[in-house]
Amino acid sequence: NAGVTQTPKFQVLKTGQSMTLQCAQDMNHEYMSWYRQDPGMGLRLIHYSVGAGITDQGEVPNGYNVSRSTTEDFPLRLLSAAPSQTSVYFCASRYRGQLSFGPGTRLTVT
Amino acid sequence: RKEVEQDPGPFNVPEGATVAFNCTYSNSASQSFFWYRQDCRKEPKLLMSVYSSGNEDGRFTAQLNRASQYISLLIRDSKLSDSATYLCVVDNFGNEKLTFGTGTRLTIIP
Repeated sequence: NAGVTQTPKFQVLKTGQSMTLQCAQDMNHEYMSWYRQDPGMGLRLIHYSVGAGITDQGEVPNGYNVSRSTTEDFPLRLLSAAPSQTSVYFCASRYRGQLSFGPGTRLTVT
Repeated sequence: RKEVEQDPGPFNVPEGATVAFNCTYSNSASQSFFWYRQDCRKEPKLLMSVYSSGNEDGRFTAQLNRASQYISLLIRDSKLSDSATYLCVVDNFGNEKLTFGTGTRLTIIP
């Protein structure tokens, strides 16, 4: 099993550009989520999904969209990138309360 | 008051020593508790769940004190490889939203 995979690993965007961070898992977990991690802030939940076709907002959803058309994939879309979205983004799936994280995407918005 | 609070450290501890971290949480209805470990520039990984009766995994012991609303992590006979950031995670209401502490940074000194 590959577990949770994320692409790209690094990305630099200009303010106003849009992009999609990809996340996939092969463990057949129903629950998937996106977090961002900033120094001194801890991990903060952006969006999550409890199954295909179901998504909900987390703590910091503004500026991000998600969709969940399959159990395996949970992409995160940045609509119009802003410097405040410079962060490390982690995708995670969850089973029995335990999270499995992807390797992360380091995003810089200039 | 933050939902989950940890001493950020850093804790600089000689190899072979015992070190303990605490994590306090504000919601008395919190259901489940976990410790995650995060190495520099890597994703968090589950270290151990925390059970009401306390639990041990090799050199690591986790305790839960519901009356005082904190969990603890004890590391005995610390190794250089224990150097990492330790994240306290609390599951509130069982509502699919885990809350992360900001982490405690540990460095084991040879």
